[in-house]
Amino acid sequence: SQQGEEDPQALSIQEGENATMNCSYKTSINNLQWYRQNSGRGLVHLILIRSNEREKHSGRLRVTLDTSKKSSSLLITASRAADTASYFCATNPSGTYKYIFGTGTRLKVLA
Amino acid sequence: GAGVSQSPSNKVTEKGKDVELRCDPISGHTALYWYRQSLGQGLEFLIYFQGNSAPDKSGLPSDRFSAERTGGSVSTLTIQRTQQEDSAVYLCASSPTFGAYEAFFGQGTRLTVV
Repeated sequence: SQQGEEDPQALSIQEGENATMNCSYKTSINNLQWYRQNSGRGLVHLILIRSNEREKHSGRLRVTLDTSKKSSSLLITASRAADTASYFCATNPSGTYKYIFGTGTRLKVLA
Repeated sequence: GAGVSQSPSNKVTEKGKDVELRCDPISGHTALYWYRQSLGQGLEFLIYFQGNSAPDKSGLPSDRFSAERTGGSVSTLTIQRTQQEDSAVYLCASSPTFGAYEAFFGQGTRLTVV
Protein backbone atom coordinates (compact mmCIF):
# COMPACT_ATOMS: atom_id res chain seq x y z
CA SER A 1 0.00 0.00 0.00
CA GLN A 2 1.13 3.59 -0.55
CA GLN A 3 2.70 5.27 2.43
CA GLY A 4 2.69 8.77 1.06
CA GLU A 5 0.23 10.94 -0.72
CA GLU A 6 1.25 14.05 -2.61
CA ASP A 7 -0.93 17.07 -2.90
CA PRO A 8 -1.88 18.46 -5.34
CA GLN A 9 -2.03 15.64 -7.88
CA ALA A 10 -1.37 18.13 -10.65
CA LEU A 11 -0.09 21.70 -10.69
CA SER A 12 0.24 24.14 -13.56
CA ILE A 13 2.12 27.42 -13.09
CA GLN A 14 3.82 30.13 -15.12
CA GLU A 15 7.58 30.25 -15.50
CA GLY A 16 9.12 32.30 -12.70
CA GLU A 17 6.43 31.41 -10.17
CA ASN A 18 7.05 29.22 -7.14
CA ALA A 19 5.68 25.69 -6.94
CA THR A 20 4.79 24.01 -3.68
CA MET A 21 4.04 20.31 -3.33
CA ASN A 22 3.03 18.53 -0.16
CA CYS A 23 3.51 14.97 1.01
CA SER A 24 1.71 13.26 3.86
CA TYR A 25 2.62 9.87 5.27
CA LYS A 26 1.26 7.47 7.81
CA THR A 27 3.97 6.00 10.03
CA SER A 28 7.11 7.22 11.79
CA ILE A 29 10.10 7.50 9.51
CA ASN A 30 13.90 7.53 9.51
CA ASN A 31 14.13 9.94 6.60
CA LEU A 32 12.24 11.29 3.61
CA GLN A 33 13.46 11.91 0.09
CA TRP A 34 12.10 13.78 -2.91
CA TYR A 35 12.57 12.54 -6.47
CA ARG A 36 11.75 13.88 -9.92
CA GLN A 37 10.62 11.74 -12.82
CA ASN A 38 10.62 12.81 -16.44
CA SER A 39 8.60 11.00 -19.08
CA GLY A 40 7.57 8.15 -16.80
CA ARG A 41 10.92 6.39 -16.67
CA GLY A 42 13.98 6.79 -14.40
CA LEU A 43 13.84 8.87 -11.25
CA VAL A 44 16.37 11.49 -10.19
CA HIS A 45 17.11 12.15 -6.54
CA LEU A 46 16.57 15.75 -5.46
CA ILE A 47 17.02 16.00 -1.71
CA LEU A 48 17.02 13.92 1.48
CA ILE A 49 15.86 15.14 4.88
CA ARG A 50 16.36 13.16 8.07
CA SER A 51 13.68 12.78 10.71
CA ASN A 52 15.58 15.08 13.11
CA GLU A 53 15.81 17.86 10.54
CA ARG A 54 13.15 20.45 9.88
CA GLU A 55 14.34 22.20 6.74
CA LYS A 56 16.90 21.71 3.97
CA HIS A 57 17.88 23.74 0.95
CA SER A 58 19.49 22.80 -2.32
CA GLY A 59 19.72 25.46 -4.99
CA ARG A 60 16.15 26.48 -5.86
CA LEU A 61 14.70 23.67 -3.74
CA ARG A 62 13.51 23.98 -0.17
CA VAL A 63 12.18 21.00 1.75
CA THR A 64 10.48 21.09 5.13
CA LEU A 65 9.56 18.20 7.37
CA ASP A 66 7.03 18.21 10.20
CA THR A 67 7.15 14.83 11.90
CA SER A 68 4.36 15.77 14.32
CA LYS A 69 2.01 16.24 11.36
CA LYS A 70 3.67 13.51 9.31
CA SER A 71 4.06 15.83 6.38
CA SER A 72 6.69 17.36 4.14
CA SER A 73 6.68 20.06 1.52
CA LEU A 74 8.85 20.73 -1.51
CA LEU A 75 9.16 24.30 -2.73
CA ILE A 76 10.68 25.06 -6.12
CA THR A 77 11.42 28.76 -6.46
CA ALA A 78 11.61 30.72 -9.72
CA SER A 79 10.36 27.74 -11.71
CA ARG A 80 11.53 27.01 -15.23
CA ALA A 81 9.97 25.10 -18.10
CA ALA A 82 12.62 22.42 -17.53
CA ASP A 83 11.13 21.77 -14.07
CA THR A 84 8.11 20.20 -15.77
CA ALA A 85 8.02 16.64 -14.39
CA SER A 86 6.38 14.42 -11.80
CA TYR A 87 7.63 14.79 -8.24
CA PHE A 88 7.50 12.01 -5.66
CA CYS A 89 8.24 11.83 -1.99
CA ALA A 90 9.67 8.60 -0.63
CA THR A 91 9.65 7.71 3.05
CA ASN A 92 11.77 5.17 4.89
CA PRO A 93 9.46 3.84 7.62
CA SER A 94 11.16 3.27 10.95
CA GLY A 95 12.30 -0.29 11.47
CA THR A 96 12.39 -1.08 7.76
CA TYR A 97 14.90 -0.89 4.95
CA LYS A 98 12.53 0.05 2.16
CA TYR A 99 11.43 3.31 0.63
CA ILE A 100 7.73 3.81 0.07
CA PHE A 101 6.77 6.25 -2.63
CA GLY A 102 3.81 8.56 -2.74
CA THR A 103 1.39 9.02 -5.59
CA GLY A 104 3.25 11.97 -7.10
CA THR A 105 2.51 15.53 -8.21
CA ARG A 106 2.55 16.30 -11.92
CA LEU A 107 4.04 19.77 -12.35
CA LYS A 108 3.72 21.70 -15.58
CA VAL A 109 5.61 24.97 -15.92
CA LEU A 110 4.37 27.12 -18.78
CA ALA A 111 6.86 29.27 -20.65
CA GLY B 1 29.30 0.96 -14.42
CA ALA B 2 28.25 4.56 -14.83
CA GLY B 3 24.72 3.98 -13.63
CA VAL B 4 22.06 1.39 -12.97
CA SER B 5 21.41 -0.59 -16.12
CA GLN B 6 18.19 -2.47 -16.81
CA SER B 7 17.39 -4.84 -19.64
CA PRO B 8 15.45 -5.20 -21.75
CA SER B 9 14.21 -1.65 -22.13
CA ASN B 10 10.90 -2.89 -23.46
CA LYS B 11 9.33 -6.33 -23.37
CA VAL B 12 6.12 -7.52 -24.98
CA THR B 13 5.00 -10.97 -23.95
CA GLU B 14 1.97 -13.15 -24.33
CA LYS B 15 -0.28 -13.82 -21.38
CA GLY B 16 0.83 -16.95 -19.57
CA LYS B 17 4.49 -16.72 -20.55
CA ASP B 18 7.34 -16.23 -18.08
CA VAL B 19 9.58 -13.17 -18.25
CA GLU B 20 12.93 -12.24 -16.71
CA LEU B 21 13.97 -8.66 -16.10
CA ARG B 22 17.57 -7.85 -15.35
CA CYS B 23 19.18 -5.14 -13.25
CA ASP B 24 22.88 -4.27 -13.09
CA PRO B 25 23.40 -1.99 -10.10
CA ILE B 26 26.19 0.52 -9.69
CA SER B 27 29.40 -1.29 -8.79
CA GLY B 28 29.92 -1.47 -5.04
CA HIS B 29 26.31 -0.68 -4.13
CA THR B 30 25.09 -3.20 -1.61
CA ALA B 31 21.43 -2.17 -1.52
CA LEU B 32 19.14 -2.98 -4.45
CA TYR B 33 15.42 -2.26 -4.84
CA TRP B 34 12.74 -3.28 -7.33
CA TYR B 35 9.63 -1.18 -7.86
CA ARG B 36 6.67 -1.37 -10.22
CA GLN B 37 4.93 1.64 -11.69
CA SER B 38 1.64 1.38 -13.51
CA LEU B 39 0.70 4.11 -15.99
CA GLY B 40 0.25 7.44 -14.23
CA GLN B 41 0.69 5.92 -10.80
CA GLY B 42 3.25 6.03 -8.02
CA LEU B 43 5.95 3.45 -7.42
CA GLU B 44 4.94 0.20 -5.75
CA PHE B 45 7.66 -1.42 -3.65
CA LEU B 46 8.35 -5.03 -4.62
CA ILE B 47 11.57 -6.30 -3.01
CA TYR B 48 14.77 -5.08 -1.33
CA PHE B 49 18.21 -6.72 -1.14
CA GLN B 50 20.96 -5.63 1.24
CA GLY B 51 24.29 -7.39 0.99
CA ASN B 52 24.04 -11.00 2.14
CA SER B 53 21.00 -10.42 4.34
CA ALA B 54 17.70 -12.09 3.64
CA PRO B 55 15.74 -9.94 1.17
CA ASP B 56 12.61 -8.05 2.14
CA LYS B 57 10.01 -9.62 -0.14
CA SER B 58 7.02 -8.02 1.53
CA GLY B 59 5.98 -6.12 -1.60
CA LEU B 60 5.80 -9.00 -4.06
CA PRO B 61 2.15 -9.11 -5.18
CA SER B 62 1.87 -12.87 -5.65
CA ASP B 63 3.89 -16.06 -5.73
CA ARG B 64 4.25 -15.62 -9.49
CA PHE B 65 6.84 -12.97 -8.70
CA SER B 66 10.35 -13.83 -7.52
CA ALA B 67 13.74 -12.15 -7.53
CA GLU B 68 17.33 -13.18 -7.07
CA ARG B 69 20.54 -11.31 -6.58
CA THR B 70 23.61 -13.29 -7.50
CA GLY B 71 26.98 -12.54 -5.96
CA GLY B 72 25.63 -9.40 -4.39
CA SER B 73 25.50 -7.70 -7.77
CA VAL B 74 23.18 -8.45 -10.70
CA SER B 75 19.52 -9.02 -9.89
CA THR B 76 16.83 -10.78 -11.89
CA LEU B 77 13.11 -10.28 -11.37
CA THR B 78 11.07 -13.19 -12.71
CA ILE B 79 7.35 -13.11 -13.37
CA GLN B 80 5.78 -16.48 -14.09
CA ARG B 81 2.55 -17.02 -16.01
CA THR B 82 2.23 -13.33 -16.79
CA GLN B 83 -1.17 -11.64 -16.60
CA GLN B 84 -2.35 -8.45 -18.26
CA GLU B 85 -2.37 -6.66 -14.91
CA ASP B 86 1.40 -7.24 -14.72
CA SER B 87 1.84 -4.67 -17.50
CA ALA B 88 3.84 -1.79 -16.00
CA VAL B 89 7.28 -0.23 -15.89
CA TYR B 90 9.59 -2.17 -13.58
CA LEU B 91 12.23 0.05 -12.00
CA CYS B 92 15.40 -1.02 -10.27
CA ALA B 93 17.45 1.17 -7.95
CA SER B 94 20.67 0.75 -5.98
CA SER B 95 22.34 2.66 -3.18
CA PRO B 96 25.73 2.39 -1.44
CA THR B 97 24.13 0.74 1.58
CA PHE B 98 20.97 1.01 3.51
CA GLY B 99 20.38 4.24 5.34
CA ALA B 100 20.26 7.92 4.55
CA TYR B 101 21.61 7.52 1.05
CA GLU B 102 19.98 8.41 -2.20
CA ALA B 103 18.86 5.62 -4.46
CA PHE B 104 20.02 5.67 -8.07
CA PHE B 105 17.39 4.46 -10.51
CA GLY B 106 17.68 2.69 -13.83
CA GLN B 107 15.52 3.67 -16.79
CA GLY B 108 13.20 0.76 -16.20
CA THR B 109 11.77 -2.07 -18.25
CA ARG B 110 8.37 -1.44 -19.80
CA LEU B 111 6.51 -4.76 -19.72
CA THR B 112 3.42 -5.21 -21.86
CA VAL B 113 1.42 -8.41 -21.54
CA VAL B 114 -0.89 -9.03 -24.49
